[in-house]
Amino acid sequence: NAGVMQNPRHLVRRRGQEARLRCSPMKGHSHVYWYRQLPEEGLKFMVYLQKENIIDESGMPKERFSAEFPKEGPSILRIQQVVRGDSAAYFCASSPIQGTRTDTQYFGPGTRLTVL
Amino acid sequence: GESVGLHLPTLSVQEGDNSIINCAYSNSASDYFIWYKQESGKGPQFIIDIRSNMDKRQGQRVTVLLNKTVKHLSLQIAATQPGDSAVYFCAVVNTDKLIFGTGTRLQVFP
Repeated sequence: NAGVMQNPRHLVRRRGQEARLRCSPMKGHSHVYWYRQLPEEGLKFMVYLQKENIIDESGMPKERFSAEFPKEGPSILRIQQVVRGDSAAYFCASSPIQGTRTDTQYFGPGTRLTVL
Repeated sequence: GESVGLHLPTLSVQEGDNSIINCAYSNSASDYFIWYKQESGKGPQFIIDIRSNMDKRQGQRVTVLLNKTVKHLSLQIAATQPGDSAVYFCAVVNTDKLIFGTGTRLQVFP
């Protein structure tokens, strides 16, 4: 049973470029969460998605950041016109269907974004 | 809003000793708590969880204690091993998102 998969594991972009981060949840999981982690800090929630729906994006910056989880394929976190402050580790987590109750979230290995 | 704090940024223990990592939370309505272990360069790994209807839960070599009165939880690791070296995070479930503490780095020396 494969865990949460993320790619690429490392991504280098120059300022002004776009970054696309992909996340495939665990088999049977339909809830996806994105978190950002700065060095020596805890993870900070960004967005929570279910298939084709954004449920909670309260942690997403208002500009340049967007996320989607299409009916087919992985979830995508997109960062447009990256700046140096976007450099961080971005983690995806997934959880199974559990009605309205939050179930345990399982994390992927992360994508480490470096903006030059 | 919810905030989660860790009492010590670094904990050093000798191999074979027990480790105790503490965490405080602010929202008395919080009802689900999770401990994660994060090794260098990896994603957080689920260790153990506890819901507010329990005071204690045990796993393999790990125990989580929850004190709702003072809004505090702890992770106890028995017979700490070198492989336990990592950063440990407590997380509180807030609606559908996890609120993480800043983490405690556990260092195990021989």
